[in-house]
Amino acid sequence: AQSVTQLDSHVSVSEGTPVLLRCNYSSSYSPSLFWYVQHPNKGLQLLLKYTSAATLVKGINGFEAEFKKSETSFHLTKPSAHMSDAAEYFCAFSGGYNKLIFGAGTRLAVHP
Amino acid sequence: EAQVTQNPRYLITVTGKKLTVTCSQNMNHEYMSWYRQDPGLGLRQIYYSMNVEVTDKGDVPEGYKVSRKEKRNFPLILESPSPNQTSLYFCASSFSGDLGIYGYTFGSGTRLTVV
Repeated sequence: AQSVTQLDSHVSVSEGTPVLLRCNYSSSYSPSLFWYVQHPNKGLQLLLKYTSAATLVKGINGFEAEFKKSETSFHLTKPSAHMSDAAEYFCAFSGGYNKLIFGAGTRLAVHP
Repeated sequence: EAQVTQNPRYLITVTGKKLTVTCSQNMNHEYMSWYRQDPGLGLRQIYYSMNVEVTDKGDVPEGYKVSRKEKRNFPLILESPSPNQTSLYFCASSFSGDLGIYGYTFGSGTRLTVV
């Protein structure tokens, strides 16, 4: 069965320190993978996507993610967290032609 | 501006009173979909549509209906809402290609409370 697992429901970092949000997927074929961000009371914004081109994908606001097929992972990173990065982050992958399959989400808190 | 527009943004209703949440996109996308978001569960697909007059169930379709009479519109209908349908709803549209769905454009969401 196809699924997405976000390994941490909450992550807390200090401003200026690195961010790592972990995502593993289960799929019988090479997926398209996405990270979305949701700020409080806002909709979903696409951060970045992997569609079988370069395995290291750069997104908006300094985020990037690396697709590792051997580890079935697509972790999201940022070298230095800003207060404005506090939000909920969703990993998702394209489950064929009819839907995106989402993880449960990771809430990122950034402390001064 | 390319966008998906949902209305209303907030809705409080009573059990059993039929309601419709509208969704419209201006990108000429073939594919549209409805999701509900619940804490700890992420987003789960309710229904999707591959094109006009083509719809199918997602993972959690019970209690919902949809229609796709025009390419741009994809309303979500709750014929008899119940409290377990209290949730945050998102409409999305996309184009697809050889590798599947190339990322959705989401609406701003509709927060529904059924009392």
